[in-house]
Amino acid sequence: KNQVEQSPQSLIILEGKNCTLQCNYTVSPFSNLRWYKQDTGRGPVSLTIMTFSENTKSNGRYTATLDADTKQSSLHITASQLSDSASYICVVSAGFSGGYNKLIFGAGTRLAVHP
Amino acid sequence: DGGITQSPKYLFRKEGQNVTLSCEQNLNHDAMYWYRQDPGQGLRLIYYSQIVNDFQKGDIAEGYSVSREKKESFPLTVTSAQKNPTAFYLCASSQGLAGAYNEQFFGPGTRLTVL
Repeated sequence: KNQVEQSPQSLIILEGKNCTLQCNYTVSPFSNLRWYKQDTGRGPVSLTIMTFSENTKSNGRYTATLDADTKQSSLHITASQLSDSASYICVVSAGFSGGYNKLIFGAGTRLAVHP
Repeated sequence: DGGITQSPKYLFRKEGQNVTLSCEQNLNHDAMYWYRQDPGQGLRLIYYSQIVNDFQKGDIAEGYSVSREKKESFPLTVTSAQKNPTAFYLCASSQGLAGAYNEQFFGPGTRLTVL
């Protein structure tokens, strides 16, 4: 069964600190992995997309890593800001390039950054 | 100002009523999607459409219906047959079907509450 599991479910950190969110997946065949940021009551916004051959990808203070062998990904947030408070969703795309790729969504990690 | 708009932002429905959620995009995207988001769960696909006048069921299509008469519009009707319709509904679009580099863009969502 294709699944995406994220940990922790929720996390509280102080402003300026770093944090790492985890994503484990059992999806086959793997096409790509995406991280989204979702503010409360809003739609998700894409942070990164990584294919099988990419180990790391950065977007400002956000750095995603992918280990296709262990089927794990992490999202590292550096020097957190209050505006980083949101849910972070890991999404794995299953399918073959050129065809319809089914997206499997994790339940998300809810991050709260406190001053 | 390109993007995806959803209306209304909040919607209240009495039991037994059908309601229609609007989704419009001016990104000239071919593919459009409807997702449902419930607390503590990942997004689940209701319907998707790859092209005008064509749409496919997702994982939880029962109790929902859609139409795709225009490229920019993909309305979702929540029928009285949907037993538990209270949820946050997200519309998304992508240039082609969500594949390796076909990023999905999400609308701001509609929160539906059944009274």
